[in-house]
Amino acid sequence: AQSVAQPEDQVNVAEGNPLTVKCTYSVSGNPYLFWYVQYPNRGLQFLLKYITGDNLVKGSYGFEAEFNKSQTSFHLKKPSALVSDSALYFCAVRGVMDSSYKLIFGSGTRLLVRP
Amino acid sequence: KAGVTQTPRYLIKTRGQQVTLSCSPISGHRSVSWYQQTPGQGLQFLFEYFSETQRNKGNFPGRFSGRQFSNSRSEMNVSTLELGDSALYLCASSLRTDPTYNEQFFGPGTRLTVL
Repeated sequence: AQSVAQPEDQVNVAEGNPLTVKCTYSVSGNPYLFWYVQYPNRGLQFLLKYITGDNLVKGSYGFEAEFNKSQTSFHLKKPSALVSDSALYFCAVRGVMDSSYKLIFGSGTRLLVRP
Repeated sequence: KAGVTQTPRYLIKTRGQQVTLSCSPISGHRSVSWYQQTPGQGLQFLFEYFSETQRNKGNFPGRFSGRQFSNSRSEMNVSTLELGDSALYLCASSLRTDPTYNEQFFGPGTRLTVL
């Protein structure tokens, strides 16, 4: 069965410092991997995706993620955090061989960036 | 280009009633997926519609149903509401140009409260 784990409920970081939000996945075959962000009372905003190709993926708002097949991980990173990055972050996976557009989401990680 | 729109944004119902939620996808997108978001269960896939056909269904009771119209707009219906149905219901649309995977874009959601 496909699954996604986000081991940290919350990540705290000071503004200007680098941030990492962790994600590991389990899927049969190759994965499609995604990061979404959710602000209060809003839907999910797409940040970035890994489909194939370079393991380092760059996305919106200066975020990037590194796909590591051997560790089945897809951690979200940003070199310098902003207070406005404070939000709820979700990692999601879909199996390449899956015929549906169903996404399996992690439980979410709340990012708090302090001034 | 306008994003995914969902109506209504907020809804209050009582147990036993039924409710219909509406989703208009991004222009040109033919796939619409529905997700339920609750604090306890997180984000869970309800179903996906593509070209007016249900492509996949999540693990929800038959009280949850949906449909898609020829203009790709989608509705989901929940009958005999229960307190546990209180949630944020998110709609996501995608181009779905198989075999290429296209990311999903989410609407702001409908907040359903069941009293």
